[in-house]
Amino acid sequence: AQKVTQAQTEISVVEKEDVTLDCVYETRDTTYYLFWYKQPPSGELVFLIRRNSFDEQNEISGRYSWNFQKSTSSFNFTITASQVVDSAVYFCALSEGFTGANSKLTFGKGITLSVRP
Amino acid sequence: ETGVTQSPTHLIKTRGQQVTLRCSSQSGHNTVSWYQQALGQGPQFIFQYYREEENGRGNFPPRFSGLQFPNYSSELNVNALELDDSALYLCASSHRLAGAHTGELFFGEGSRLTVL
Repeated sequence: AQKVTQAQTEISVVEKEDVTLDCVYETRDTTYYLFWYKQPPSGELVFLIRRNSFDEQNEISGRYSWNFQKSTSSFNFTITASQVVDSAVYFCALSEGFTGANSKLTFGKGITLSVRP
Repeated sequence: ETGVTQSPTHLIKTRGQQVTLRCSSQSGHNTVSWYQQALGQGPQFIFQYYREEENGRGNFPPRFSGLQFPNYSSELNVNALELDDSALYLCASSHRLAGAHTGELFFGEGSRLTVL
């Protein structure tokens, strides 16, 4: 069975601090996708990144970076120089293999990030 | 803006009643998935619709049912509502090509259901 664990429940930082959100996953599939979504108070889940299981290269997009390590089954997300607008709930998610026709994602419980001015 | 719209945004029902939630998928997307998000939890997969048929289901009882229409919009129906059905119901649209799915979902803002 697939499982995503986000051990941190709430994180509070002061603006301009760097913050890392942890994600650990479990799956028996050899082909899978990992995702991060942001959920602001409006409720909509905003897609941030998708990474497939064959690509372990780290990725950077502006102030966001992701560290994927298959050896530890982790897919951590770092926000550099955090801003108040980064305050939201962040979810890590795992999908079944690409060859599957299913769009099912297994989500973690989410991490509430508060960035104080 | 993702283009996925859901209605109603909020509603209140009582136990035993039935509810229908609606979702319009993003233009060009042929697959709709529904998720239930209880307070303080991550979204849980209910089911997916592709070509007007259910194509994958999570651990939800049969009183959760759905429809997909030729224009790819979708409905989620829940019968015999229970207090634990109180949650945010999220619709996600995506595109499936040649039998495989990209796995990238675009979510609406959800319908918040309260069951009293």
